[in-house]
Amino acid sequence: EAAVTQSPRNKVAVTGGKVTLSCNQTNNHNNMYWYRQDTGHGLRLIHYSYGAGSTEKGDIPDGYKASRPSQENFSLILELATPSQTSVYFCASGDKFSGNTLYFGEGSRLIVV
Amino acid sequence: GDSVTQTEGLVTLTEGLPVMLNCTYQTIYSNPFLFWYVQHLNESPRLLLKSFTDNKRTEHQGFHATLHKSSSSFHLQKSSAQLSDSALYYCALSESSGSWQLIFGSGTQLTVMP
Repeated sequence: EAAVTQSPRNKVAVTGGKVTLSCNQTNNHNNMYWYRQDTGHGLRLIHYSYGAGSTEKGDIPDGYKASRPSQENFSLILELATPSQTSVYFCASGDKFSGNTLYFGEGSRLIVV
Repeated sequence: GDSVTQTEGLVTLTEGLPVMLNCTYQTIYSNPFLFWYVQHLNESPRLLLKSFTDNKRTEHQGFHATLHKSSSSFHLQKSSAQLSDSALYYCALSESSGSWQLIFGSGTQLTVMP
């Protein structure tokens, strides 16, 4: 079973503060993704990466940055957190050789107050 | 661009009745992969089943789906619902000719009542 781990699992941040969500995968997958999930909106793609050093904007990138320093690690950065970014964030890794089957981490619950 | 449509946002049914969750898709590519992911409460989405082959039934954990390219559909079915099937189900599409992006539908919340 593919392994994707996220940290922190829960975070309370203040408005205007910086938040970094980290993701590590041990599957040697090239593709990694950050999604947020809110009631009524399903999974929305924020940023993704095809490999170390690459990041691409997803459907809702505003207010977020991403960093992929290595094959294993992919971070999501909120430079100036806002209450509208309160959500559950999921990281996933994908293997194109299986049609890009995604394996999700456990999720990070972020509350911005 | 590519898209996935799940017409039912909420499905409620009684234990023991059959389940059918609808999924249709649009893509310009001829060889898409179609997926069903399931997400139980307070858990992360996980793969339930996937298919690449036209008109071939795929089964896993009592659920089954058949990719029909002629109608661009990949409906999820189960003969008899269980209480433990209550979850959020996502249909998703990726295509082999381009960026391998996974396009998710909006999800269907299935609630099974006793």
